[in-house]
Amino acid sequence: NAGVTQTPKFRILKIGQSMTLQCTQDMNHNYMYWYRQDPGMGLKLIYYSVGAGITDKGEVPNGYNVSRSTTEDFPLRLELAAPSQTSVYFCASRETLFGGTYEQYFGPGTRLTVT
Amino acid sequence: DAKTTQPNSMESNEEEPVHLPCNHSTISGTDYIHWYRQLPSQGPEYVIHGLTSNVNNRMASLAIAEDRKSSTLILHRATLRDAAVYYCILSLFRDDKIIFGKGTRLHILP
Repeated sequence: NAGVTQTPKFRILKIGQSMTLQCTQDMNHNYMYWYRQDPGMGLKLIYYSVGAGITDKGEVPNGYNVSRSTTEDFPLRLELAAPSQTSVYFCASRETLFGGTYEQYFGPGTRLTVT
Repeated sequence: DAKTTQPNSMESNEEEPVHLPCNHSTISGTDYIHWYRQLPSQGPEYVIHGLTSNVNNRMASLAIAEDRKSSTLILHRATLRDAAVYYCILSLFRDDKIIFGKGTRLHILP
């Protein structure tokens, strides 16, 4: 299993440009998550999905959009990039276990710089 | 939301045990305690989780206070590769997500 994969690894965007961060998992997990991590800080939840066709906002959703058309893929879209979106973005997935017994698996991250 | 409190940073010597504390005084009876760690330039990785009883796995041990208001992650013999940020997180029973705090940055001295 490759686990959770993210592309690209690095990207530099100009202000106002758009891009899509890709996330794919091969573990057949229903739950998927997008986090961002600013330098020296913890992770903030952007969006999450509990299955194909279902998404919900996390702590910091503004400026981002997501879709979930398949179990495997959970892309994150930035429509009008701003310097405040400079961050490292992590995708994660987990099994459908209820009651808090689950383990989240994280991808290696995408480092995005907006200038 | 139930929150956790951790020290910002800790230091330990290589090959000695490390005890990382976490306070979660507002925990409810069905909340699980999770620990993740993040090595430099990597995504977080799962370490251990528990509900009431102490837990052991190949990476660490988790000691949970009897009143569940605090817990301690124990690394039995720290190595330089254990230098990371350690996150203590509560997984809420009726919630589909876990929320990360700032964690404890662990420095290991050779």
